[in-house]
Amino acid sequence: EAQVTQNPRYLITVTGKKLTVTCSQNMNHEYMSWYRQDPGLGLRQIYYSMNVEVTDKGDVPEGYKVSRKEKRNFPLILESPSPNQTSLYFCASSLSATTPYEQYFGPGTRLTVT
Amino acid sequence: GNSVTQMEGPVTLSEEAFLTINCTYTATGYPSLFWYVQYPGEGLQLLLKATKADDKGSNKGFEATYRKETTSFHLEKGSVQVSDSAVYFCALKGGGSNYKLTFGKGTLLTVNP
Repeated sequence: EAQVTQNPRYLITVTGKKLTVTCSQNMNHEYMSWYRQDPGLGLRQIYYSMNVEVTDKGDVPEGYKVSRKEKRNFPLILESPSPNQTSLYFCASSLSATTPYEQYFGPGTRLTVT
Repeated sequence: GNSVTQMEGPVTLSEEAFLTINCTYTATGYPSLFWYVQYPGEGLQLLLKATKADDKGSNKGFEATYRKETTSFHLEKGSVQVSDSAVYFCALKGGGSNYKLTFGKGTLLTVNP
């Protein structure tokens, strides 16, 4: 089954404790992206990746890191989480970024930072 | 930069009512336009899309027409069902080298039996 998976689905952590949210897709997609969803703000892009070893900042990259060492994986790293990073996070992938292909979204990771 | 404005909800309708969710956009070049739907507890799914002016996207009884003259992409359905209850997001993808999806804030639709 073609899908984007994220782990964990739910995470409660404390300020300053490094964490990683994993994202994996099995569709051989080139383009991957991370969004955060906050009430009243919709979805905002954090980082994106055009292909392996190519990443770039989205609209709200502060406090986040990403890497793209393999085509299928695109982990999101919070080196020192803060309460304002409490949010619902979505990973998405698309066959290509240069054409209007559908983006496939993962099920989301709800992060709470206390 | 690009932006999307959609009507704020929540929208509450009775089953079989007509639905319109307004969406207008600001973009340079020739963007592609999308409607995504998010059912409770799930990720977003593409509902429909249109890639050029006057295109009509349609799926599951929903329709939206890409109107360049009014920079709009309103979502419509003639007869909603309880199962249509979800959050609907209008989004655009810029033309040229702009790869990002820009989303509206989302509209919560609740359909009552």
